[in-house]
Amino acid sequence: AQSVAQPEDQVNVAEGNPLTVKCTYSVSGNPYLFWYVQYPNRGLQFLLKYITGDNLVKGSYGFEAEFNKSQTSFHLKKPSALVSDSALYFCAVRDPMNSGYSTLTFGKGTMLLVSP
Amino acid sequence: DTGVSQNPRHKITKRGQNVTFRCDPISEHNRLYWYRQTLGQGPEFLTYFQNEAQLEKSRLLSDRFSAERPKGSFSTLEIQRTEQGDSAMYLCASSRDSDPIYEQYFGPGTRLTVT
Repeated sequence: AQSVAQPEDQVNVAEGNPLTVKCTYSVSGNPYLFWYVQYPNRGLQFLLKYITGDNLVKGSYGFEAEFNKSQTSFHLKKPSALVSDSALYFCAVRDPMNSGYSTLTFGKGTMLLVSP
Repeated sequence: DTGVSQNPRHKITKRGQNVTFRCDPISEHNRLYWYRQTLGQGPEFLTYFQNEAQLEKSRLLSDRFSAERPKGSFSTLEIQRTEQGDSAMYLCASSRDSDPIYEQYFGPGTRLTVT
């Protein structure tokens, strides 16, 4: 079975500083990995994905994520945080070999708070 | 560009009542998914349609839950005899068959409160 762990309930960072939101995964095959962001009372917005190829993927709003197969991690990063980045971030995984009909498994989410 | 839409956005109901939610996917998307998100948790998969066929159901989907997608376009999720534990955000997502990644686009969700 596939699973995702987001070890931090909350990440605090000052505006202008770099940020990292951690994600580790478990799948039996090669994973498809995703990051989504959720603002209050809103649905999930897609940020970026890793399917194959370059381990560093770039996404929306200046975010990027690094896929590390040996550590089974897919941490979300941004070089300089903005107050407007404050939101709930979800990591998700799909095992294309074993997930049947393409459903995603999500982590429990990490709240990012960027202070002015 | 019209995204996934869900109605209603909010629903308050009394325990024991039935509720129905609607999801309209992106028009060319033939795959449709329902997820449930409770406070402090990530979305959990409920069920999935390819066109009008319901192909997968989670164990979370008890007998009180039923989902339909009669013409392969919009979908409805009905909860019968609601319980307080059903209070959650219900999210709908859609994707295209032609996309090998099946990237999912999410709607704004319907927040259900059972009193």
